[in-house]
Amino acid sequence: ILNVEQSPQSLHVQEGDSTNFTCSFPSSNFYALHWYRWETAKSPEALFVMTLNGDEKKKGRISATLNTKEGYSYLYIKGSQPEDSATYLCAGPGAGSYQLTFGKGTKLSVIP
Amino acid sequence: ETGVTQSPTHLIKTRGQQVTLRCSSQSGHNTVSWYQQALGQGPQFIFQYYREEENGRGNFPPRFSGLQFPNYSSELNVNALELDDSALYLCASSLERSWETQYFGPGTRLLVL
Repeated sequence: ILNVEQSPQSLHVQEGDSTNFTCSFPSSNFYALHWYRWETAKSPEALFVMTLNGDEKKKGRISATLNTKEGYSYLYIKGSQPEDSATYLCAGPGAGSYQLTFGKGTKLSVIP
Repeated sequence: ETGVTQSPTHLIKTRGQQVTLRCSSQSGHNTVSWYQQALGQGPQFIFQYYREEENGRGNFPPRFSGLQFPNYSSELNVNALELDDSALYLCASSLERSWETQYFGPGTRLLVL
């Protein structure tokens, strides 16, 4: 079973600060790494799916990088806004062919 | 494009009862995955259905079962409910069992007393 770990568990930042958090995963049997944003009382929303070592993806102020050889991905948020407050989940492939194994998430609170 | 919907939104059952949760997948998607999120945990994979067949199962006992219908909507059935089954149940649809994006519904909150 693939263990996906996320750190930190929670984070409080001031509006305008930039921040980043980490997703780590065993590098063997890697296929894809997903990032999702989950706001309270809403559905998890896909941010990125990355498959290649060295991948970098960007969506507005949010970007992510992937290192499959060392088994980590970073998510960066530039100039955090209150609407960025959410839990950020990463997920990698599990033991089966098509299942996703999720980390516990990083809960981000942006203070106005 | 219609998003993923789930019903009911909330449910209270007692230990030993059975429950059925429903999920309508996004238009054009033929794959549905079910997840259980217990308090303080990330979503845990239960199983996936592709074109009406089970296509992978996580570490859940047989009392967790499912169905997928010809229109690709899906049900999750849980028999002999236990207190630890209290959780948020999420379904997600995707295209062709691929590694691409999964689109999640809002979840069903189940409380077992």
